[in-house]
Amino acid sequence: QVQLVESGGGVVQPGRSLRLSCAASGFTFSRHGMHWVRQAPGKGLEWVAVIWYDGSKKYYADSMKGRLTISRDNSKNTLYLQMNSLRAEDTAVYYCVRDSIEVTGTLDYWGQGTLVTVSS
Amino acid sequence: SYELTQPPSVSVSPGQTARITCSGDALPKKYAYWYQRKSGQAPVLVIYEDNKRPSGIPERFSGSSSGTMATLTISGAQVEDEADYYCYSTDSSGDQRVFGGGTKLTVL
Repeated sequence: QVQLVESGGGVVQPGRSLRLSCAASGFTFSRHGMHWVRQAPGKGLEWVAVIWYDGSKKYYADSMKGRLTISRDNSKNTLYLQMNSLRAEDTAVYYCVRDSIEVTGTLDYWGQGTLVTVSS
Repeated sequence: SYELTQPPSVSVSPGQTARITCSGDALPKKYAYWYQRKSGQAPVLVIYEDNKRPSGIPERFSGSSSGTMATLTISGAQVEDEADYYCYSTDSSGDQRVFGGGTKLTVL
């Protein structure tokens, strides 16, 4: 079955960096675009970034543009999110999400999320 | 940056029709998608490409879009439909995705 397992979250001081990982299994990772979506405490879902199935295109939310790098290693079935210059408002659960092939434009599998807390 | 606007909350009695709106400047040219998220669970797609219903989603869920507004309609809402609902779409370039702020549906 499809599994997406995020890791790398934790408590980090403002201004520091963090790299999140998402280990994918149960499907052909290299065929799917992948997203990061986050949810701050008490807030709604916020789309963060997407990477094409082959890594050829990457797009970011304006709110974090310039501080993020999404990447993937298809040989390791792993998605990454490098976050720099972290701010208190980046505190959220970060979800790894698969782009559907069957229904274009939709998100069909979500990980359980990893909590990032930015605090001094 | 592009935004989709939803009402924070909608409340109906069981059996009534619930309508949740989503407004965005790019919606005349971009599809709207709707996700249902119950507490502690992963979001579930209930409507895609404005008005298509995935298999397994009850017929009481329907979607429409006109101009800059997309609407999710739940005809004969049930208590089990209580959840947060998010619209999802892209900006005019198609590059950036965006979620609406979410609408908490209460059925009681």
